[in-house]
Amino acid sequence: DTAVSQTPKYLVTQMGNDKSIKCEQNLGHDTMYWYKQDSKKFLKIMFSYNNKELIINETVPNRFSPKSPDKAHLNLHINSLELGDSAVYFCASSQDFGEAFFGQGTRLTVV
Amino acid sequence: GENVEQHPSTLSVQEGDSAVIKCTYSDSASNYFPWYKQELGKGPQLIIDIRSNVGEKKDQRIAVTLNKTAKHFSLHITETQPEDSAVYFCAARLGSARQLTFGSGTQLTVLP
Repeated sequence: DTAVSQTPKYLVTQMGNDKSIKCEQNLGHDTMYWYKQDSKKFLKIMFSYNNKELIINETVPNRFSPKSPDKAHLNLHINSLELGDSAVYFCASSQDFGEAFFGQGTRLTVV
Repeated sequence: GENVEQHPSTLSVQEGDSAVIKCTYSDSASNYFPWYKQELGKGPQLIIDIRSNVGEKKDQRIAVTLNKTAKHFSLHITETQPEDSAVYFCAARLGSARQLTFGSGTQLTVLP
């Protein structure tokens, strides 16, 4: 069983479009995250979210917004996509302050 | 916020040799230090972690050491095998936070 699953795995889209990436975890964790991995492999936190608070990395443009329909899902919505948004986006989850489990990633290419 | 530096960025070793990757962190309030392995096309996977009340932890061929005074921690892989080839990331977490701050990664290549 996949613990943290993301869809789609690959996403190619044109500049200016709006797109969403979906994430689901079946671990019963209380916190979910979105990380961005750039072309140099740097992994940076974008958001962390549990049912009590959303923490946003201040460097993330407000074109990016997390949406959580329930505790097991944290989707990432991106408006007005730009070339610089091209990266691999990872969803992750953890329980309290325990181990973080990562999804397989979504490779976003903006053309 | 926390800042994590990782060295080296690339490391090549002969099969059977040991590999050591080092990280330093900036915030003395950090208390959790995991190491992740990322294979090509996959997400990072935890291989070992250590908390600030422990100086060393070992799991078969993998060990991690932590020096709180110097604010650095290291990953040691002994008897390396070709399947150990991957990108390795260290990370740190502040006691008050849930998210991880990652190092810049080390591409480890084990030569047969």
